[in-house]
Amino acid sequence: QSALTQPASVSGSPGQSITISCAGTSSDIGFYNFVSWYQQQPSRPPKLIIYEVSNRSSGVSSRFSGSRSGNTASLTISGLQAEDEADYYCSSYTSNTTRVFGGGTKVTVL
Amino acid sequence: EVQLLESGGDLVQPGGSLRLSCAASGFTFNNYAMSWVRQSPRKGLEWVSTISAGGRNTYYADSVKGRFTISRDNSKNTLYLQMNSLRAEDTAEYYCAKDRRWLKEMDHWGQGTLVSVSS
Repeated sequence: QSALTQPASVSGSPGQSITISCAGTSSDIGFYNFVSWYQQQPSRPPKLIIYEVSNRSSGVSSRFSGSRSGNTASLTISGLQAEDEADYYCSSYTSNTTRVFGGGTKVTVL
Repeated sequence: EVQLLESGGDLVQPGGSLRLSCAASGFTFNNYAMSWVRQSPRKGLEWVSTISAGGRNTYYADSVKGRFTISRDNSKNTLYLQMNSLRAEDTAEYYCAKDRRWLKEMDHWGQGTLVSVSS
């Protein structure tokens, strides 16, 4: 159950677009359409923002989008806003009938 | 409104035991799988365990297998996590979460309960 690989940090200016990558294997991201993304604000529980690779959770801004290419999933935030500053985690279902998280990416709005 | 309220977190010595509870409301509890996820201080999320809607099937991370037991009481809308043989590395905030789809994504989370393992 090795963790998925995310960059530790990503930053951007207001209005810019940023992309967070999430690298897995052919036993998780590469095989199943069950990649999800969570946003965690400081001292708050995680919040589901994307499920099944590219579906936005209810009430989530259209500025958030998800995609996948091979064994790597990506979360793109367009029109970056100050309120987007948070930690972001990817997760995937795995062939071992378990789930695995990425190490998390801290997004900073400059 | 979905609400998940964890309780039971405490300071415990290495080798000790603890039982966490999660009281659920605002949805049909016995229709959904439920999970525990933990987060060590200043670190990332780690999936701990998931139980099917009816309680028959359980799944665990390798790091807790054989030491932790997940269970549920659908008559009380409550999820549990029995933690035995606790280690320092089990120190974390423990979140209860509702599975939108079994073992896929978790669409509602509790506020968490803190478990500290130290002598």
